[in-house]
Amino acid sequence: GDSVTQMEGPVTLSEEAFLTINCTYTATGYPSLFWYVQYPGEGLQLLLKATKADDKGSNKGFEATYRKETTSFHLEKGSVQVSDSAVYFCALSDSGAGSYQLTFGKGTKLSVIP
Amino acid sequence: NAGVTQTPKFQVLKTGQSMTLQCAQDMNHEYMSWYRQDPGMGLRLIHYSVGAGITDQGEVPNGYNVSRSTTEDFPLRLLSAAPSQTSVYFCASSQLGGGGNQPQHFGDGTRLSIL
Repeated sequence: GDSVTQMEGPVTLSEEAFLTINCTYTATGYPSLFWYVQYPGEGLQLLLKATKADDKGSNKGFEATYRKETTSFHLEKGSVQVSDSAVYFCALSDSGAGSYQLTFGKGTKLSVIP
Repeated sequence: NAGVTQTPKFQVLKTGQSMTLQCAQDMNHEYMSWYRQDPGMGLRLIHYSVGAGITDQGEVPNGYNVSRSTTEDFPLRLLSAAPSQTSVYFCASSQLGGGGNQPQHFGDGTRLSIL
């Protein structure tokens, strides 16, 4: 079945540091890939997505590139801010499985300190 | 612009009680789903629906029922609450089409404790 593996947290960074959160996946079809963010006490929000190989999703300074050859979708940001403190989830939607279900990774908690 | 609205936000139940978690969306989305979020487990799909009158099971459906009588509403029923159902529950909705690449819109969650 489909699965998503992302790096264990928590991750603590100083403001303006570089962020990488690793995400790899297995899927039976040709999935779409997503990063969702969850701020404290809130639901998940879409951060970015990519729907085909070599696509780069970007939003709010975050980027991730769909790498089919390495089955990866790593999240990066060049300079994090305190306001980026949240839990980040990598997810896939596998249309080849005939549904619109999202399969999530376990989440990575990011804390950014001033 | 309400989006996805979940009620209640918090609930405490005793073992064996039943209750319904409400979910409503105002975006005319065909696809709706329920997830539970547990520490270290990410989000796991409970049930989903691709339209009014159509529901199906997800990864962890046992102990839960759903129905979809309208496009807007997708309630989740706990038939006989158990401590293992203590969790945060999220409802989500999205458009169909696009081969599954439509983003899902999440509610703010219901935090449920079973004593």
